[in-house]
Amino acid sequence: GNSVTQMEGPVTLSEEAFLTINCTYTATGYPSLFWYVQYPGEGLQLLLKATKADDKGSNKGFEATYRKETTSFHLEKGSVQVSDSAVYFCALSDRGYQKVTFGTGTKLQVIP
Amino acid sequence: DTAVSQTPKYLVTQMGNDKSIKCEQNLGHDTMYWYKQDSKKFLKIMFSYNNKELIINETVPNRFSPKSPDKAHLNLHINSLELGDSAVYFCASSLKVGGDTEAFFGQGTRLTVV
Repeated sequence: GNSVTQMEGPVTLSEEAFLTINCTYTATGYPSLFWYVQYPGEGLQLLLKATKADDKGSNKGFEATYRKETTSFHLEKGSVQVSDSAVYFCALSDRGYQKVTFGTGTKLQVIP
Repeated sequence: DTAVSQTPKYLVTQMGNDKSIKCEQNLGHDTMYWYKQDSKKFLKIMFSYNNKELIINETVPNRFSPKSPDKAHLNLHINSLELGDSAVYFCASSLKVGGDTEAFFGQGTRLTVV
């Protein structure tokens, strides 16, 4: 079956530091890949997505590139802010499975 | 206007009780889901409905019974609550099943069984 593996958290960074959260996946077909963000006390919301190999998703300064050869979709941001503190989930959607499979989530804490 | 709303936001109840969580979406989506998030933030799908029909049931105990009266609503009823049912339950919806479809989540219902 499909699976998503994310780096363990929590990740603690100082404001304006560079962020990378690693994500790799296993899927039988050609999935779409997503990053969702969960702010404290809220539900998940879509941050960005990519639907085919070499696509780059971007939003709010965050980027991730769909790498089929390494089955990865790492999340990056050049300069994090305190307001980016949240839990980030990597996910994939495969038509064959008709559902979204989530990684375990990575908590990011940004300190001033 | 809340796209996906679920009630209640908090639910504290005793073991053995029966409780329900309601979910409504006003996005006109065909597909709705229930997810369970444990204390470590791990998110696991429980059920998925497409146009009121159950399409995914992820080996959830029979004590959990979803009901979809129409495609805008997906309620979750839980019988004989156990301590291990304590978690945050999220309702979500998407335009269609699978593919590159984004899921929209409600704010969650924090269930505490004592």
